Amino acid sequence: AQTVTQSQPEMSVQEAETVTLSCTYDTSESDYYLFWYKQPPSRQMILVIRQEAYKQQNATENRFSVNFQKAAKSFSLKISDSQLGDAAMYFCAYRSLEGGADGLTFGKGTHLIIQP
Amino acid sequence: DAGVTQSPTHLIKTRGQQVTLRCSPKSGHDTVSWYQQALGQGPQFIFQYYEEEERQRGNFPDRFSGHQFPNYSSELNVNALLLGDSALYLCASSFYRYEQYFGPGTRLTVT
Repeated sequence: AQTVTQSQPEMSVQEAETVTLSCTYDTSESDYYLFWYKQPPSRQMILVIRQEAYKQQNATENRFSVNFQKAAKSFSLKISDSQLGDAAMYFCAYRSLEGGADGLTFGKGTHLIIQP
Repeated sequence: DAGVTQSPTHLIKTRGQQVTLRCSPKSGHDTVSWYQQALGQGPQFIFQYYEEEERQRGNFPDRFSGHQFPNYSSELNVNALLLGDSALYLCASSFYRYEQYFGPGTRLTVT
């Protein structure tokens, strides 16, 4: 079974600064997806960014980018120019591409605080 | 275009009772997954429905059951409620095996 670990329960950053959230995972599979989801106080889980394991290039979505290190099984999220609206819980998630397993495996989350 | 909707938003049940939660998928989606999110934790996968059948199941007891209807909407049923079943229940829909879009969740409190 796969596991996802987020070792930072809480992070704080000044508005307009850059912050990096860490995620490591454990799997014996070679083909999979990794995701970062954002969950604001409204509770709705919002997809931030996705990385396919077969792609060496790191995914980027506007101010959000990842550092994907497949051999190290590490998948960190960098948020540039932090904004007040970025304050939320951030979850790292794994999805297998092998067999029929589509259920996401989530980490415990990192609470991101943006200081004005 | 309506996104994933869930009902009810909140509900309170007594230990031992049964509960049914409902989910309507995003337009064009045919697959529904259910997750349980305990307070302060990440979501845990319960099961997934596709073509009205349970395609995959997580590590949850048989007290948790589900159904998918021909219009792709889905229900999650929990029997013999325990205090530990108190959580936010999230529904996610997708087109086949593509990206999952989440609903706002149902907050279940068991007293």
